[in-house]
Amino acid sequence: KQEVTQIPAALSVPEGENLVLNCSFTDSAIYNLQWFRQDPGKGLTSLLLIQSSQREQTSGRLNASLDKSSGRSTLYIAASQPGDSATYLCAVREAYQTGANNLFFGTGTRLTVIP
Amino acid sequence: SAVISQKPSRDICQRGTSLTIQCQVDSQVTMMFWYRQQPGQSLTLIATANQGSEATYESGFVIDKFPISRPNLTFSTLTVSNMSPEDSSIYLCSVFSSHLPSQYFGPGTRLLVL
Repeated sequence: KQEVTQIPAALSVPEGENLVLNCSFTDSAIYNLQWFRQDPGKGLTSLLLIQSSQREQTSGRLNASLDKSSGRSTLYIAASQPGDSATYLCAVREAYQTGANNLFFGTGTRLTVIP
Repeated sequence: SAVISQKPSRDICQRGTSLTIQCQVDSQVTMMFWYRQQPGQSLTLIATANQGSEATYESGFVIDKFPISRPNLTFSTLTVSNMSPEDSSIYLCSVFSSHLPSQYFGPGTRLLVL
């Protein structure tokens, strides 16, 4: 069964710093990988989705990379802001999943950006 | 995109009672899912809600405890039955369809069982 791990579990940085969140997965036969943001008491907001054939995706100050062969993805946040404080979740969709369309989630990294 | 609403947004319930959570999507979608997020944990898929037929449950989840309805392509309900404090979680509705770029999640229902 696919296992998704995120390190670190929590991270505090001063405002303005660049930072990297890590995600690893055990089965490289994935269909895509997605990074989500979750604010306290709220649902998930999709940040970036990387298809298995892609190496990276960028949106504003966010850049996500994917190395499928090594089972790793990183989310790079440039010039962090207090508004970036949230829990960031990584999720992979396995290539052979049909019907159930299941996403396997990591446990998340709780980010705090200190003003 | 898809806009998903859930009712209630939060509730505090007594053990032994049941709570029904509603999920409404602003467009017809092929697939609807229910997830649970226990405190400090990540999301776990409970079941896939199938229109017009019984939901498909993941290992560890049963219909008697989590009955699900899906009467049409935009609406689903999840009932948490005979609740215990261990059921205290956030319950999230999620949808996916071929016309959407990714899977979307509702705002969640925060449940506390005393």
